[in-house]
Amino acid sequence: AQTVTQSQPEMSVQEAETVTLSCTYDTSESDYYLFWYKQPPSRQMILVIRQEAYKQQNATENRFSVNFQKAAKSFSLKISDSQLGDAAMYFCAYRRGYGGSQGNLIFGKGTKLSVKP
Amino acid sequence: DTEVTQTPKHLVMGMTNKKSLKCEQHMGHRAMYWYKQKAKKPPELMFVYSYEKLSINESVPSRFSPECPNSSLLNLHLHALQPEDSALYLCASSQAPQETQYFGPGTRLLVL
Repeated sequence: AQTVTQSQPEMSVQEAETVTLSCTYDTSESDYYLFWYKQPPSRQMILVIRQEAYKQQNATENRFSVNFQKAAKSFSLKISDSQLGDAAMYFCAYRRGYGGSQGNLIFGKGTKLSVKP
Repeated sequence: DTEVTQTPKHLVMGMTNKKSLKCEQHMGHRAMYWYKQKAKKPPELMFVYSYEKLSINESVPSRFSPECPNSSLLNLHLHALQPEDSALYLCASSQAPQETQYFGPGTRLLVL
């Protein structure tokens, strides 16, 4: 069975600084997708970034980038130039690729990020 | 546009009530999902609708009854709930079952 582990229950960063959130996963599949979702106190889950396992290049979305280490099964999220609006719970999630169980997103337990002004 | 809307935002109901949660998307997505999220926990998948047919039911109690009237709408009918069913209920949709899921803002449910 696939599992997703986020070992940092809470993290804190100073505004304008850089922070990295860790995520590891376990799977025997070769085709899969990884995601980072953000859930601010407003509750809505917002997609931050997505990585296809077959792509070697790390995904980037503006200030957000990932370090995808497939062999190590590691998928960390780096937030550069942190802003107050980045404060939220961040969930790492895994999904099997095409042909796998439909829609089964497997979430980690989350990392609560605080941003200090 | 990746908007999924959910109504109501908040709902308080007694254990004998019948209520419904609604979810809507106009992105042409053909897969829709219901999740349950308890405080400080990740979301847990409840149901998946694929092309308007129920494709996954994660052993959810029958007091939760999903309905997909058309490709844009997803309902969750609630009947005889228990206090432990109090949670945030999230709806999501994706272009197809294998595609990236986009979430709505959720309905905060309190069962008294």
